[in-house]
Amino acid sequence: DGGITQSPKYLFRKEGQNVTLSCEQNLNHDAMYWYRQDPGQGLRLIYYSQIVNDFQKGDIAEGYSVSREKKESFPLTVTSAQKNPTAFYLCASSTNGGVNEKLFFGSGTQLSVL
Amino acid sequence: RKEVEQDPGPFNVPEGATVAFNCTYSNSASQSFFWYRQDCRKEPKLLMSVYSSGNEDGRFTAQLNRASQYISLLIRDSKLSDSATYLCVAYSGGGADGLTFGKGTHLIIQP
Repeated sequence: DGGITQSPKYLFRKEGQNVTLSCEQNLNHDAMYWYRQDPGQGLRLIYYSQIVNDFQKGDIAEGYSVSREKKESFPLTVTSAQKNPTAFYLCASSTNGGVNEKLFFGSGTQLSVL
Repeated sequence: RKEVEQDPGPFNVPEGATVAFNCTYSNSASQSFFWYRQDCRKEPKLLMSVYSSGNEDGRFTAQLNRASQYISLLIRDSKLSDSATYLCVAYSGGGADGLTFGKGTHLIIQP
C-alpha cells in the first residue's frame, strides 16, 4: 500500500539533546512538509521541500533542521536550540501540483521533553 | 497576515441532526479550500476540496461565499463516527507557504 510513514510514534528528548524524526513516503510525491501542532492550535509549517536536495524554511524553522537527500525521505531534527519542543509533529506530502495542494499526512510523532 | 478563523466549539449535536459550521478567511487571494477531519492525536485526513462555489459528497456539503470570505461545512444525518475536529484550510498559491490552517472546530455527536 502506498502511504507516508512517520517514526517513532512517541519520542522523548532530554535537555540539550538533538532528536530526529523520520518521514518516508512511497507515493512518488515531489513535495514534502513538516508541521507542528500544539493543543488547540492550527498546524504551523516548519520546513518544506519541493524537490530533492532543496528545502525552504516555513513559519517556525528556528531550532529545527531538515535534509532531502532522497525523494522518499524528509527527516526532521529537533535541535537543542528549540526550547519548547513538546508538540505533535506531522509530516505530509503532495504532488506539488500548484492549486491542488491536497496533503497526505503521516500518523504523527508526539515529542515530549523529559 | 493570512488568517483562517474557526469557532473552536465544541458543538454538541444529537445523532441524526444536521450541523453546520463556518470558516472565515482573511486573504482574498485564496484560490481553493479544504476541509480535513482529524481524530484525537491522529493525522488529518482530507474530507473535501472546494475550488469553485461548493462541493457535495454524500452527507457532507461545503459552500463557498467569496463575497463574504467564508466557507461552510454542512453535515446531514450526523453519525456518532462524525465526532472529530474539522480543520479548514485555505490555499492562496505559491506552494506550501500558501496553505493556512484554521485551529479546527470540535464536533461531538451524542447518542
